[in-house]
Order: sequence, then C-alpha cells, then structure tokens
Amino acid sequence: NAGVTQTPKFQVLKTGQSMTLQCAQDMNHEYMSWYRQDPGMGLRLIHYSVGAGITDQGEVPNGYNVSRSTTEDFPLRLLSAAPSQTSVYFCASSYPTSPSTGELFFGEGSRLTVL
Amino acid sequence: AQRVTQPEKLLSVFKGAPVELKCNYSYSGSPELFWYVQYSRQRLQLLLRHISRESIKGFTADLNKGETSFHLKKPFAQEEDSAMYYCALVGGNTPLVFGKGTRLSVIA
Repeated sequence: NAGVTQTPKFQVLKTGQSMTLQCAQDMNHEYMSWYRQDPGMGLRLIHYSVGAGITDQGEVPNGYNVSRSTTEDFPLRLLSAAPSQTSVYFCASSYPTSPSTGELFFGEGSRLTVL
Repeated sequence: AQRVTQPEKLLSVFKGAPVELKCNYSYSGSPELFWYVQYSRQRLQLLLRHISRESIKGFTADLNKGETSFHLKKPFAQEEDSAMYYCALVGGNTPLVFGKGTRLSVIA
C-alpha cells in the first residue's frame, strides 16, 4: 500500500515550458486535491476533485489544469510555466467525497523550479 | 469566507517549557478544526482534530467558539516536537483551508 505517490520529486523548467505533475493513490479515495506550499504563504489549494470526471477550482487555479479520468490518478498540468509557479506541490486525498473528516493523506511533494 | 490565521511564523521554546501555537479562524457556521504537522523530511500528516478531543504526542487543542480559536498546547516541549504546524478548517462540503503555518523550534 503505497498511499499517495507523486512524480517527479524534483523538476527544473524554463519559462514557457509545459509539464505534468503526476499523482496516484491506491486507497480508493474519492477526494483528491493539489496544494502549493510557499514560504510565508502556507498551503494554498489549486484544484480538487470529488470523484472521477469531476474537478473544481481552489484558491489559486490560474496557470494550472487538472483532469480526473480515473479514481486513482489526478495529474496537474502546467501549460506554460512561469517563475511565479516555482513552489513545492503536494497532492492529497481522502476517502469521503466531502473532505469534512479533515484527514487528508499527503504525497511527499514535488519541488518545481521555473527559471 | 473561511480563513485561518496563525499569527506566529516562528516559535522557539526551550526543552521542557510549555508550548502554545495559536490559531484563530473566521467562519460563519460550525467549523471543524484540525492541526497538521510536517516533520523534517516527512509528509504532512494529521496531528489531531477537535471532534475527537484526544491528546496526541502530548498535544491538545480546544475549540473556543467564543474566541474563534483552536490553539495547540503541550505542557512540556520535546526536541522531537520541532516541526512545521498548520491549523486547518473545514466548513460544510468545502475543501480544507490551511493557515500559513508556524515553525516550532525546541531548543535543547
């Protein structure tokens, strides 16, 4: 049982490049989400999904796309990377479609640097 | 709108001293409050939630609706408590909202 797995762990991009951060969970969780962690800003929600085929925007969605074609996977796409997207990205999941239980299971994080 | 405020970016205490990490929230309904912790080189994980009213690793937190606070307390700090602590709130079916975090440093 691997839990929440994120790849890659580290990535350096040039401005304007595109990439996808992968997130997979093997706990059959319906709810999945992406956060970014920046110094002094805490964790900010980018996008979330309450089940396959359903996604919604969080607090800071601009510049990011998501899709949820399966229960297990929730990739985050950067279409045209900008230096402001330099951050550590966390994927998190929980069992209920509503996250009201509050127990999110986090991945190890992906550190992205945009030059 | 939901908001979580952690006024201290950094809190340094000596080993054996009491610890209080402050958390205030803004929410019009009945929130559910949580504390998450991130130890060095480890994943962010749930420490405790107010509805369970339990003590984890010696930490407790009481929801004070009158003061809209959910401060995290421990009577005697240990070096292994050094970590980043996040207070978080859920209201209704909305996603979890985190505060900006407080880094706790316990000095030997």
